[in-house]
Amino acid sequence: AQSVAQPEDQVNVAEGNPLTVKCTYSVSGNPYLFWYVQYPNRGLQFLLKYITGDNLVKGSYGFEAEFNKSQTSFHLKKPSALVSDSALYFCAVRDVESGNTPLVFGKGTRLSVIA
Amino acid sequence: DTGVSQDPRHKITKRGQNVTFRCDPISEHNRLYWYRQTLGQGPEFLTYFQNEAQLEKSRLLSDRFSAERPKGSFSTLEIQRTEQGDSAMYLCASSFPPTSVFVIAETQYFGPGTRLLVL
Repeated sequence: AQSVAQPEDQVNVAEGNPLTVKCTYSVSGNPYLFWYVQYPNRGLQFLLKYITGDNLVKGSYGFEAEFNKSQTSFHLKKPSALVSDSALYFCAVRDVESGNTPLVFGKGTRLSVIA
Repeated sequence: DTGVSQDPRHKITKRGQNVTFRCDPISEHNRLYWYRQTLGQGPEFLTYFQNEAQLEKSRLLSDRFSAERPKGSFSTLEIQRTEQGDSAMYLCASSFPPTSVFVIAETQYFGPGTRLLVL
């Protein structure tokens, strides 16, 4: 069965500093990986996804994520954090070889960017 | 606004009552998903439709939960005889897979959710 782990419930970072939100995954085959962000009282907004090709994926709002197959990780990064980046971030995975399986989400990581 | 919309945004009900939520997907999106999100957790898949066909419903939480998409456009999620444990955010998402081969590479676009509180 596919699963996602987001090992940090909370990440605090100072405005202007680089940020990393960690995600590791488990699938039987190859993964499709996604990052979403959720602001208070809002639905999830798509940030980026890894399907194939370049391991470094660039997405919305200056975010990027690096796919590392050997470490089964897909960490979200941004070179310079903004206070407006403060939100709840979810990593999600689908197993390429398991048919039309549902998207499986991690528990989320709350990012707090301090001015 | 051409995003996914959900109605109502908030619902408070008493235990034992039935509730129905509506989701309007992005126009021309043929896939529609329902998820439940409880506090401190990520969204949990419930069911999905391709056009009007419900292709997966084994993950609905109990037989009190049902969903429809009669004309392949909007969808409704109904919870009968609500229980306090049903209190959660119910999210809807829609997508338009690029091809049948890469369906699972699709991007799902989420609505704002319906927050249910069962007293």
